[in-house]
Amino acid sequence: DTAVSQTPKYLVTQMGNDKSIKCEQNLGHDTMYWYKQDSKKFLKIMFSYNNKELIINETVPNRFSPKSPDKAHLNLHINSLELGDSAVYFCASSQGPTLNYGYTFGSGTRLTVV
Amino acid sequence: DQQVKQNSPSLSVQEGRISILNCDYTNSMFDYFLWYKKYPAEGPTFLISISSIKDKNEDGRFTVFLNKSAKHLSLHIVPSQPGDSAVYFCAASALGEGAQKLVFGQGTRLTINP
Repeated sequence: DTAVSQTPKYLVTQMGNDKSIKCEQNLGHDTMYWYKQDSKKFLKIMFSYNNKELIINETVPNRFSPKSPDKAHLNLHINSLELGDSAVYFCASSQGPTLNYGYTFGSGTRLTVV
Repeated sequence: DQQVKQNSPSLSVQEGRISILNCDYTNSMFDYFLWYKKYPAEGPTFLISISSIKDKNEDGRFTVFLNKSAKHLSLHIVPSQPGDSAVYFCAASALGEGAQKLVFGQGTRLTINP
């Protein structure tokens, strides 16, 4: 029973399209995150939600819009996809927004924009 | 500007020997450090952490050392086992912030040879 699950695992799409990545956690955690692993392999935070409220919003193009319908879900919608958006996107969750609690990561979504 | 750096992209060690993975950071506000392990097609999983009030933390075969003056930490695995072959990420954060984010290095791929 997967703790943090992301769908789809792989996504290949053309430039200019709009796509969504879904994330669900069954751990009862309050806080969820989106991280992006770029071509240089760095994992960088994009967004964090705590109890459905946005608490971290890094410098991310506003083509990226997170949505948290409830505490167990944090989806990522990307408009007008560009080649540079190709990356692996990881969803994560933690019991609270502080580092007293560990992060649990999903297995990632590899997005390829052609 | 990468605040957390792992300068060795890969490391190869013989089974049974010690593996030493290194990590450097630049932000003096960081006071909590973590190591994550990642297998292919999976998300990172938490391995061990250390706060800046300590210089060593041990958990079984894994020990993390922190040298605050040098802004350097290392992960020691002894003895190394084939199942330790994975990518290891160093991460750092500053405790005390309302919402915390992990800043990751780019990872070191560890290969344990039989």
